[in-house]
Amino acid sequence: DADVTQTPRNRITKTGKRIMLECSQTKGHDRMYWYRQDPGLGLRLIYYSFDVKDINKGEISDGYSVSRQAQAKFSLSLESAIPNQTALYFCATSDLRTGGYNEQFFGPGTRLTVL
Amino acid sequence: ELKVEQNPLFLSMQEGKNYTIYCNYSTTSDRLYWYRQDPGKSLESLFVLLSNGAVKQEGRLMASLDTKARLSTLHITAAVHDLSATYFCAVDSISGNTPLVFGKGTRLSVIA
Repeated sequence: DADVTQTPRNRITKTGKRIMLECSQTKGHDRMYWYRQDPGLGLRLIYYSFDVKDINKGEISDGYSVSRQAQAKFSLSLESAIPNQTALYFCATSDLRTGGYNEQFFGPGTRLTVL
Repeated sequence: ELKVEQNPLFLSMQEGKNYTIYCNYSTTSDRLYWYRQDPGKSLESLFVLLSNGAVKQEGRLMASLDTKARLSTLHITAAVHDLSATYFCAVDSISGNTPLVFGKGTRLSVIA
């Protein structure tokens, strides 16, 4: 099945460390997104990319960077992790060409803990 | 700027009862999506509503879209415990060239 995968699924790191979360998809979608979810809260958009050469900031991009290595891969980096970046991170994909609408498909999530 | 408001944010309901979750949005759109999230899990697509008057049903859940009122509803019929989850609505811009805007989610707890 075409899918959205995220690695790692769980990560514990220390303050100040650089870490990378990876997202791969086999859906053939052009658009990819990174979201953060804190306990009991909704989704907040970190970065999004509508094609390989397109990168856009979301509402909470400070402290994060991204790389779109290929159509199928979109990585999120925390240059110097801090405890308030402890959260559940989701990657998502969509493609306006598929049916002409923008339904997003989510990966399983990465649970990140920064000590 | 497109804003999406869901209510209620928390809902505790008894098994067998009916209830409705509301999703209001601030600017013109004719594309709206409902997602379900179980605790600690990912978001799963429930319904895609693509026009005024669209209605979709799956089991005990029914979603509808009124683009003139800028309102979608998710109606739960005869709730069962398995429906306990958080439900998000998300609205697309007219152009489709911006990310979806999500509501804050409604955490539903169905109790015996």
